[in-house]
Amino acid sequence: GQQVMQIPQYQHVQEGEDFTTYCNSSTTLSNIQWYKQRPGGHPVFLIQLVKSGEVKKQKRLTFQFGEAKKNSSLHITATQTTDVGTYFCAGSEQAGTALIFGKGTTLSVSS
Amino acid sequence: KAGVTQTPRYLIKTRGQQVTLSCSPISGHRSVSWYQQTPGQGLQFLFEYFSETQRNKGNFPGRFSGRQFSNSRSEMNVSTLELGDSALYLCASSWRTGGYEQYFGPGTRLTVT
Repeated sequence: GQQVMQIPQYQHVQEGEDFTTYCNSSTTLSNIQWYKQRPGGHPVFLIQLVKSGEVKKQKRLTFQFGEAKKNSSLHITATQTTDVGTYFCAGSEQAGTALIFGKGTTLSVSS
Repeated sequence: KAGVTQTPRYLIKTRGQQVTLSCSPISGHRSVSWYQQTPGQGLQFLFEYFSETQRNKGNFPGRFSGRQFSNSRSEMNVSTLELGDSALYLCASSWRTGGYEQYFGPGTRLTVT
């Protein structure tokens, strides 16, 4: 069945450093979504990418969808302590099918 | 607009018992999905309901079941609880079925002793 893998599992950075998490699917995806879960909280939707090669930015966050629609990345520039949490990618093979989540990358930031 | 609500927030049950969790989606959302979150396995998809019909199902045993009512509220039932069922159960709603952005509730923390 469809599998979505994320690396790294954990990442610790100093405040101001950049951070990147990568997401890889075993199958081609119709779309990829990214969520953030703060400690003790629930996942919150960040963004959805649909097109091959798509790049979207939200302030310091840059999201990319691979050309083959099998991988994606989230890059945070100049991390802040508010960026702490677990970042999940999630994708579905085709419209109407279930969203499968990666296991997430947990980011910690020290000031 | 009110967010997704889940009740109860915390639950302690004994092995062998059954449990029912409830989820009220965002007003206007007709899709409700359930996920199990554990430290080792991350977010695992249980099932999705849309207009009272199960549209997608994950790889969980038949002890896990759900239903959706005409007002889009959903319940999840777990029978014959096992220790390994201890987890955070998250409900998420969406305006469309299958693979669209999910709005999560705060979850129900289930502990099985």
